[in-house]
Amino acid sequence: EDKVVQSPLSLVVHEGDTVTLNCSYEVTNFRSLLWYKQEKKAPTFLFMLTSSGIEKKSGRLSSILDKKELFSILNITATQTGDSAVYLCAVEAGGADGLTFGKGTHLIIQP
Amino acid sequence: NAGVTQTPKFQVLKTGQSMTLQCAQDMNHEYMSWYRQDPGMGLRLIHYSVGAGITDQGEVPNGYNVSRSTTEDFPLRLLSAAPSQTSVYFCASKGGTSYNEQFFGPGTRLTVL
Repeated sequence: EDKVVQSPLSLVVHEGDTVTLNCSYEVTNFRSLLWYKQEKKAPTFLFMLTSSGIEKKSGRLSSILDKKELFSILNITATQTGDSAVYLCAVEAGGADGLTFGKGTHLIIQP
Repeated sequence: NAGVTQTPKFQVLKTGQSMTLQCAQDMNHEYMSWYRQDPGMGLRLIHYSVGAGITDQGEVPNGYNVSRSTTEDFPLRLLSAAPSQTSVYFCASKGGTSYNEQFFGPGTRLTVL
């Protein structure tokens, strides 16, 4: 059975801090790992990672994948209150079985 | 493009009632899927479809039916609603290749009393 585990499940930091969110996975026939941001509505896409060691970056957010150790991290630097959200990690595996999601990390940025 | 649309946004049912959650996309995506999201459980796949006329079960299919008569529409039917089906339901779609992200609809919040 495919499994995705995110840590921590919740995190409270102050504005300006840097945070690192973790995602580990066990899946058969890995294809890609995706990060989504969810703010009380539909998840919105952040990154898709398919190759190890190649950092994806968008503004203050970045992510990298380690296919040998089966994990990914999502970094957010200089956090802002607008970064408060649930961050979801999902893995797409072989076949057409959709995405397997982790439970998410609930990030709260305090002013 | 409207993207992925879902109706209704909110619904309250009594136990035993049936209803259909609607999902449509205008991006000509072949792949569509339904997820449910429960507190502390993340999103779980209910059913998916790789094209018109083809559907298959996901992780939690019991109590739900789907059909895919057109590329655009992928309705989810609850045959006899149960309180355990109280959840937020998301429909998603993606293009034909594997290495594309899934686009999510705005969700339907369903309460079964």
